[in-house]
Amino acid sequence: NAGVTQTPKFQVLKTGQSMTLQCAQDMNHEYMSWYRQDPGMGLRLIHYSVGAGITDQGEVPNGYNVSRSTTEDFPLRLLSAAPSQTSVYFCASSYLDSRALHFGNGTRLTVT
Amino acid sequence: EDKVVQSPLSLVVHEGDTVTLNCSYEVTNFRSLLWYKQEKKAPTFLFMLTSSGIEKKSGRLSSILDKKELFSILNITATQTGDSAVYLCAVDVSGAGSYQLTFGKGTKLSVIP
Repeated sequence: NAGVTQTPKFQVLKTGQSMTLQCAQDMNHEYMSWYRQDPGMGLRLIHYSVGAGITDQGEVPNGYNVSRSTTEDFPLRLLSAAPSQTSVYFCASSYLDSRALHFGNGTRLTVT
Repeated sequence: EDKVVQSPLSLVVHEGDTVTLNCSYEVTNFRSLLWYKQEKKAPTFLFMLTSSGIEKKSGRLSSILDKKELFSILNITATQTGDSAVYLCAVDVSGAGSYQLTFGKGTKLSVIP
């Protein structure tokens, strides 16, 4: 009964490095999304997907790419990390007709 | 621009107290309002409200929505230390072809023994 699994839990990058944050869910949810959470800013939507092969931008998409090749997986790619991307990243999923999101435990990313 | 504003931003109460958390919103397309509880890690879903005046209840927690005045409240009675968390309010602003939640900044509740 894993739910939404995010890896890694922590990551430190140098400016300009790239990396992929992994997200997998085992609930057969159509909807998957990535949020970032910064102090005083709340949760902000980066990208989301309503099914395999379909992705769309959220409120703060710049600097991030996503793809959805399967229902289960929704990786988030940082192509060239910047200090402004230091944040806690949450992946969340739900059925398409529900907004009762199930969140992963988050990835704390620091870019130096 | 869609806005969701929560108040207060933080609150300290004693065990046994009753608290009321507020969430007001100004959005172009309202579908529903949701409450989440965030302890150390992942937010967990509490309630989804779509209709005005209908109270949702789960144990000591309850919530109600006023679509005319554009706000919702979350009540917690007989608070316990385990209620200490950040409570997040979100509005589903999904429209044609888009599926998005707009979150408020949260209310940090601390319950002291």
